[in-house]
Amino acid sequence: DIVMTQSPLSLPVTPGEPASISCRSSQSVLNSNGYNYVDWYLQKPGQSPQLLIYLGSNRASGVPDRFSGSGSGTDFTLRISRVEAGDVGVYYCMQTLQTPLTFGGGTKVEIK
Amino acid sequence: QVQLQESSPGLVQPSETLSLTCGVSGYSISSGYYWGWIRQSPGKRLEWIGAMYHTENVYYNPSLSSRVTLSVDTSKNQFSLKLKSVTAADTAVYWCVRIGDDVSGYSIDYWGQGTLVTVSS
Repeated sequence: DIVMTQSPLSLPVTPGEPASISCRSSQSVLNSNGYNYVDWYLQKPGQSPQLLIYLGSNRASGVPDRFSGSGSGTDFTLRISRVEAGDVGVYYCMQTLQTPLTFGGGTKVEIK
Repeated sequence: QVQLQESSPGLVQPSETLSLTCGVSGYSISSGYYWGWIRQSPGKRLEWIGAMYHTENVYYNPSLSSRVTLSVDTSKNQFSLKLKSVTAADTAVYWCVRIGDDVSGYSIDYWGQGTLVTVSS
């Protein structure tokens, strides 16, 4: 199985400031088609996870452009350019290159 | 708007079979996409259980494959999960999900609200 490792575990943030979360895969998730099969999800308190980024860098429908994904191969980053209070929750990366699909352990973002 | 809704068995006895059904509205299962299940046990990371495309392509997490069966009922526009011989380790929130195709990188674009299943006598 591909192991996904996220850091940090917890991220206190100040509204209006940028934030970034790292995700590393135990093997490359770059497909021969040139796409990185990594998604990012946000689980807000009391809600189900929601898709933010797919294929490494593509924003899902309705996701603000404050969110961006980057990286390739085994190292990926989710960036929030200006954190808002509504961005709090647990962020997960997930690889979809091969089954079983696997998730990172999560990064809890909270307001300072 | 696509919506998924899990049934809620709540409490399951150890060694019994956990059965969950996911009702889908706003989209016909037979039209495409993968349909699957994800769970999260207390203190653990999200775990992919399995997914299926119609009835011909079914994929299971090897860690659960000996105990899991996924099925679909297109007449009711719903799909189901059965997990046999459950133990306390199967206590978790279970979500049914829709998984996109290769164009979207098999991302999960719709999630149910999740249902807590507790295994206890």
